Amino acid sequence: GAVVSQHPSRVICKSGTSVKIECRSLDFQATTMFWYRQFPKQSLMLMATSNEGSKATYEQGVEKDKFLINHASLTLSTLTVTSAHPEDSSFYICSAAGQGKNNEQFFGPGTRLTVL
Amino acid sequence: AQSVSQHNHHVILSEAASLELGCNYSYGGTVNLFWYVQYPGQHLQLLLKYFSGDPLVKGIKGFEAEFIKSKFSFNLRKPSVQWSDTAEYFCAVNANTGGFKTIFGAGTRLFVKA
Repeated sequence: GAVVSQHPSRVICKSGTSVKIECRSLDFQATTMFWYRQFPKQSLMLMATSNEGSKATYEQGVEKDKFLINHASLTLSTLTVTSAHPEDSSFYICSAAGQGKNNEQFFGPGTRLTVL
Repeated sequence: AQSVSQHNHHVILSEAASLELGCNYSYGGTVNLFWYVQYPGQHLQLLLKYFSGDPLVKGIKGFEAEFIKSKFSFNLRKPSVQWSDTAEYFCAVNANTGGFKTIFGAGTRLFVKA
């Protein structure tokens, strides 16, 4: 199989601070990683797509200066929520796709962010 | 642009009842189709997928789905549900253009009464 981990699983921060979430593919090389946001009782909304070594592609309505994505290696992508506000509180999920994985994405367990 | 619509937002069934969850997509080209399940408190898991070949796809836990190209549909079925099938089910589509971008439906929350 393919395993994707996220760290931290939960984070609580004060308004105005920045929070970094890591997404790692543990047993395969992820050429592409995706970041999703899931509001309570709603579906996953794609925020951005990142390819290793290049800039992320953000979906319409997602502020790239607010949600900084770095995909520096084939096994790690990070999402930094800058100057977080209570409305940024959500469940953030990453997924990874790679060579030989047949267009299938493997999902991380998610990170619950609460901004006070 | 691709879109995915799931017909039912909430479904309540008794154990042993049959299940069918509808999914329609809009995209004119070749697509890959997926059903994911999210059990309470857990992360997304792949139930089944269709890339090509036999349009009737069998997945884990007794689930199956049928791709009907003319109807742009990929409905999920299970002949007899169990209490443990209580979960949220997401249909997802990505265009078979070499990229991996996947669009999800709104999800269907299934509750199975014991």
